[in-house]
Amino acid sequence: QVQLVESGGGVVQPGGSLRLSCAASGFTFSSKGMLWVRQAPGKGLEWVAVIWYDGSNQNYADSVKGRFTISRDNSKSMVYLQMNSLRAEDTAVYYCARENWVEATKGNLDYWGQGTLVTVSS
Amino acid sequence: EIVLTQSPGSLSLSPGERATLSCRASQRINTNYFAWYQQKPGQAPRLLIYGTSTRATGIPDRFSGSGSGTDFTLTISRLEPEDFALYYCQHYDTSASWTFGQGTKVEIK
Repeated sequence: QVQLVESGGGVVQPGGSLRLSCAASGFTFSSKGMLWVRQAPGKGLEWVAVIWYDGSNQNYADSVKGRFTISRDNSKSMVYLQMNSLRAEDTAVYYCARENWVEATKGNLDYWGQGTLVTVSS
Repeated sequence: EIVLTQSPGSLSLSPGERATLSCRASQRINTNYFAWYQQKPGQAPRLLIYGTSTRATGIPDRFSGSGSGTDFTLTISRLEPEDFALYYCQHYDTSASWTFGQGTKVEIK
């Protein structure tokens, strides 16, 4: 069965860095785009970043552009989120999610990890 | 950038009642790129509906989606106790970005 397991969250000071990891299993990892989506405490969902199935391209929300970097290692079925220059407003649960295209439909996030909490505080 | 506005913000209903949730886009969107998710406290979101009206694997048929243009609806025909949760609409843009609505909470009356 498909599983996504995030790790790497924790408490970090403003201006600090953190690297999140997401271990994928149960599907052909190298054929799917992968995303990070975050949810601040008590708030809604916010897309953060996406990486193409082959790692050839990435895209970022304006709120994290220039500070966060998404990457993947298809040989290990892993996706990463390097977060630099962290701010208090980056405090959130970070989920990795699999993108699935079904026929003409796109952008469906059909599997999600359980999330990892990042707290940015001094 | 497309903005999705969900209404109402919360809905108080009893088990067995019908729930109708709305999501309005700030401009016309492709129905193939529109989805709904359910989220329960302490859990990750779960895909319910994709392509506006197709149920995801394992989703019961009491959940249905409809809409076109700028107006989209998620209907739960008869609420079961496990359906009381938060619901989000989502749009995928071909620039490879995703937008979520702010959510509708379905509460037990």
